[in-house]
Amino acid sequence: EAGVAQSPRYKIIEKRQSVAFWCNPISGHATLYWYQQILGQGPKLLIQFQNNGVVDDSQLPKDRFSAERLKGVDSTLKIQPAKLEDSAVYLCASSPRSIKRLNTGELFFGEGSRLTVL
Amino acid sequence: ELKVEQNPLFLSMQEGKNYTIYCNYSTTSDRLYWYRQDPGKSLESLFVLLSNGAVKQEGRLMASLDTKARLSTLHITAAVHDLSATYFCAASRDMGAQKLVFGQGTRLTINP
Repeated sequence: EAGVAQSPRYKIIEKRQSVAFWCNPISGHATLYWYQQILGQGPKLLIQFQNNGVVDDSQLPKDRFSAERLKGVDSTLKIQPAKLEDSAVYLCASSPRSIKRLNTGELFFGEGSRLTVL
Repeated sequence: ELKVEQNPLFLSMQEGKNYTIYCNYSTTSDRLYWYRQDPGKSLESLFVLLSNGAVKQEGRLMASLDTKARLSTLHITAAVHDLSATYFCAASRDMGAQKLVFGQGTRLTINP
């Protein structure tokens, strides 16, 4: 079974520029997450989708970050304009649809996209 | 608001020794997850603990959950160098929506 795919793996930009990251979840997984992991810290949830609807974007800095999941499969995360503090790894994760009796709620992560803002 | 705290944050130990990583969480959560992350890599799921008293073991790692104490432990037995990594615990903030809140991570270094 193919895992969560992300691209690009690395991106270097200057502050005030824009960047976009792409994620393709595991086939059949209805829930998709974007996490931000700053060096030396644990991942922090930015946004959660269920199919193509947003479940939680309370921690997404909406003045500069946006995300969409058209057609309920692939997702893109955009940052515009980028700030120095946005330097981090952006992790995409997916999970099966719901907490059913045998569903553990486990998240499956991609390799991440490492962003450096200069 | 659910908060997850791990300790220690850094751990350097010798091969063959035993040690425990602790994970405390602030509000009710019936599910606890442990992940491993190698440098430059993504998070790999190690254990999913679904109920109070749950214990899971894989090789030299054993995880347990005490929901009454809001505490999970990851015990390492007779450590080997290959276990060097950063270990994260995560608790579920909202079971219905499957949101995980992560701890800060414990960077484990095992020296020969």
